[in-house]
Amino acid sequence: GENVEQHPSTLSVQEGDSAVIKCTYSDSASNYFPWYKQELGKRPQLIIDIRSNVGEKKDQRIAVTLNKTAKHFSLHITETQPEDSAVYFCAACIVNRDDKIIFGKGTRLHILP
Amino acid sequence: EAGVAQSPRYKIIEKRQSVAFWCNPISGHATLYWYQQILGQGPKLLIQFQNNGVVDDSQLPKDRFSAERLKGVDSTLKIQPAKLEDSAVYLCASSLVVWRADTQYFGPGTRLTVL
Repeated sequence: GENVEQHPSTLSVQEGDSAVIKCTYSDSASNYFPWYKQELGKRPQLIIDIRSNVGEKKDQRIAVTLNKTAKHFSLHITETQPEDSAVYFCAACIVNRDDKIIFGKGTRLHILP
Repeated sequence: EAGVAQSPRYKIIEKRQSVAFWCNPISGHATLYWYQQILGQGPKLLIQFQNNGVVDDSQLPKDRFSAERLKGVDSTLKIQPAKLEDSAVYLCASSLVVWRADTQYFGPGTRLTVL
């Protein structure tokens, strides 16, 4: 089955700097890659996603890139702000097959003042 | 639009006791998921329903966990008997249709502590 690895497990960046979180997946059939943000004690919330037919997607300060050949995808947050502090999860899914979302173990992002 | 509702929000039990969680998905969402999220880890899918039928329960520990979704709406997840390692947050999520994972929304979760 699908396996998703996520790195780093913890990341600290100065406010205003960029943060990058990387994930790899094992099943080449995976075609949908969502990213979730989970603040302490709250539910995961979808922040951005990308499908396998595109290589990059951007939404304001957040961007995701996908390299299907290497089977890895990354989340980029620019101009980080204190409210970006949270745990971020990547995930992989085969839509139109089993539709099972497999999550990475998460990255705890700390934005330093 | 109302979100996914779950209850209770918190539950503390002793090992070997039983516990049940309830989930009410977003109206009209055919697919319902139960996830287990252990502290410091990502959510792990336990079971996925499409209407009232089970799509995937391969990671559900069936010797102690059971789930049902009567009438294709609300769902309950039961643990009997509970073990210490069951301490986790149990998240329910729903999505509009099974092939639209990008419409999946999570409930607030139930935090279970097994003593």
